[in-house]
Amino acid sequence: EVQLVESGGGLVQPGSSLKLSCVASGFTFSSYNMHWIRQAPKKGLEWIALIYYDSSNKYYADSVKGRFTISRDNSKNTLYLEMNSLRSEDTAMYYCAKSNWEGMDAWGQGASVTVSS
Amino acid sequence: DTVMTQSPASMSTSVGERVTVNCKASQSVGTVVAWFQQKPGQSPKRLIYLATNRHTGVPDRFTGSGFGRDFTLTISNVEAEDLAVYYCLQYDSIPLTFGSGTKLEIK
Repeated sequence: EVQLVESGGGLVQPGSSLKLSCVASGFTFSSYNMHWIRQAPKKGLEWIALIYYDSSNKYYADSVKGRFTISRDNSKNTLYLEMNSLRSEDTAMYYCAKSNWEGMDAWGQGASVTVSS
Repeated sequence: DTVMTQSPASMSTSVGERVTVNCKASQSVGTVVAWFQQKPGQSPKRLIYLATNRHTGVPDRFTGSGFGRDFTLTISNVEAEDLAVYYCLQYDSIPLTFGSGTKLEIK
């Protein structure tokens, strides 16, 4: 069974940093591209980052480019999202998702990030 | 960026009815569209990929159609458990973009 488990969320002050993790199991992690998607409270879904299976390519939404970094450790079956210079508008549930050429097919349960003073 | 304009924002229907959700892309995306269902308090689950393909285990009440710019999710014989928000997603180009969501309420 495919499982994606996010962790590392919390309450932080504006301008601070936070690093999310997503531990994968039930599939060959090193063969799949991975995404981060977020959802602000009572709002819709926003794609924010993609990393290829071998880390050869990384892409970001304009809203996080230069502040967030996506990375992965295939030896640990883990995806990361390092978030710097956090703003109140980054408050959201953050989901990781796996994908192949057919698209995203499984999501984690999410990690909650609240940016507030 | 490709904008996905989704409609309606919400709808209310009765069990057993048929409903349709629409997404219009600001430029052609071929068939590279997926539909997701997000039930209250849960993470999104994929229903349809590549516009028309049903995800494993998804009931055949859910049907996706469309090509190019116009896409439709049809739910036939709506059941009470279909209460959810439905999102379309284009993954033809970066940035990936979602529709704004359609909230389905059951009368």
